[in-house]
Amino acid sequence: EAGVTQFPSHSVIEKGQTVTLRCDPISGHDNLYWYRRVMGKEIKFLLHFVKESKQDESGMPNNRFLAERTGGTYSTLKVQPAELEDSGVYFCASSKHAGGETQYFGPGTRLLVL
Amino acid sequence: GENVEQHPSTLSVQEGDSAVIKCTYSDSASNYFPWYKQELGKGPQLIIDIRSNVGEKKDQRIAVTLNKTAKHFSLHITETQPEDSAVYFCAAVATGGGNKLTFGTGTQLKVEL
Repeated sequence: EAGVTQFPSHSVIEKGQTVTLRCDPISGHDNLYWYRRVMGKEIKFLLHFVKESKQDESGMPNNRFLAERTGGTYSTLKVQPAELEDSGVYFCASSKHAGGETQYFGPGTRLLVL
Repeated sequence: GENVEQHPSTLSVQEGDSAVIKCTYSDSASNYFPWYKQELGKGPQLIIDIRSNVGEKKDQRIAVTLNKTAKHFSLHITETQPEDSAVYFCAAVATGGGNKLTFGTGTQLKVEL
């Protein structure tokens, strides 16, 4: 069984540009999560999808971030326009169920905004 | 909301020694506490977890203890090996909080030969 995959693995962009990150969860996992780790700090929750619906988006920093999961399969996270403080590692995770179920993480996308 | 504190931030031990990482949480509604290991260039991997109805759980060289009254939980690694070197994160999930993980700030463990 394939794990969670993320694309790209690295992205270097200039301030003001747009970047789109993609996450493919484990097949059959209805729950998909986005997290971010900025400069050696803790990994912080961004949002949670159940199938195609946003269950919790309380961690989204601002309206420059847009997450979608059309069809309830893969998800994209778009940052537009990117700012310097958006640099960090963006992780995607998935779980079959919610409520204290194991979340399986992807390798992350390392984003650097110059 | 939930707040998780983790100590120490760095830990260096000799191969074969034990390593202990401690976390405290603030939300008494938290009921699930996973531990993740992150190796360089990879995503966090679950190594062990514990639920609030259990005080201790062990899996080979790894054990986790939970004290609900004091709101703290700890990771114990015995007979450490060089491949244990990584960043370890504790996390907590609160009942009714969906499945949102609140992480500690991580511990860089280095096992020296």
